[in-house]
Amino acid sequence: SQTIHQWPATLVQPVGSPLSLECTVEGTSNPNLYWYRQAAGRGLQLLFYSVGIGQISSEVPQNLSASRPQDRQFILSSKKLLLSDSGFYLCAWSSGHQLGETQYFGPGTRLLVL
Amino acid sequence: AQSVAQPEDQVNVAEGNPLTVKCTYSVSGNPYLFWYVQYPNRGLQFLLKYITGDNLVKGSYGFEAEFNKSQTSFHLKKPSALVSDSALYFCAVRGLSGGYNKLIFGAGTRLAVHP
Repeated sequence: SQTIHQWPATLVQPVGSPLSLECTVEGTSNPNLYWYRQAAGRGLQLLFYSVGIGQISSEVPQNLSASRPQDRQFILSSKKLLLSDSGFYLCAWSSGHQLGETQYFGPGTRLLVL
Repeated sequence: AQSVAQPEDQVNVAEGNPLTVKCTYSVSGNPYLFWYVQYPNRGLQFLLKYITGDNLVKGSYGFEAEFNKSQTSFHLKKPSALVSDSALYFCAVRGLSGGYNKLIFGAGTRLAVHP
């Protein structure tokens, strides 16, 4: 069966510091991968998605970037964190491009920027 | 453009009573609709989806959803609520971004089931 991992689970960082959040998927190959941010326990905003190694699409221009160095690894980064980067970051995967593909979410990383 | 609306911020239900969490959608073309649940400080868990076929879709934990094309709705239902159903529920619709699959989420509805 497939599993998705995210780490760290929680992170407290000062403003201006760098960020690296990692997401890995097991039990599948060539997944589509997604990064979402959830602010204030409510709606989800899609940040990035990737359909393959080195292929990243950004939904919202911002202070963050994403990379996919391996097939089942997706990394969210920032060079300098802002207060507004605080939130709950969720990684998700889906198995293909078929219409109606389900996305499956990881446990999330809670980021607090002080 | 595709969009999803969850008109209720919170729904309160007594344990044992039926529950409904509302969702309406706007899409061009055929709708592909999803429900997810989120427990505190956890990721989203997939409950069910409508792709095609029967308008009544059955999912995990006794939940079901009814697709109504004329009303552009996809309400989540459960015949008898449990206190453990208390959580945040998200409706989502498949959207398109550069030809790739993505989900557009509603703002979420908090379900509170009281003993």
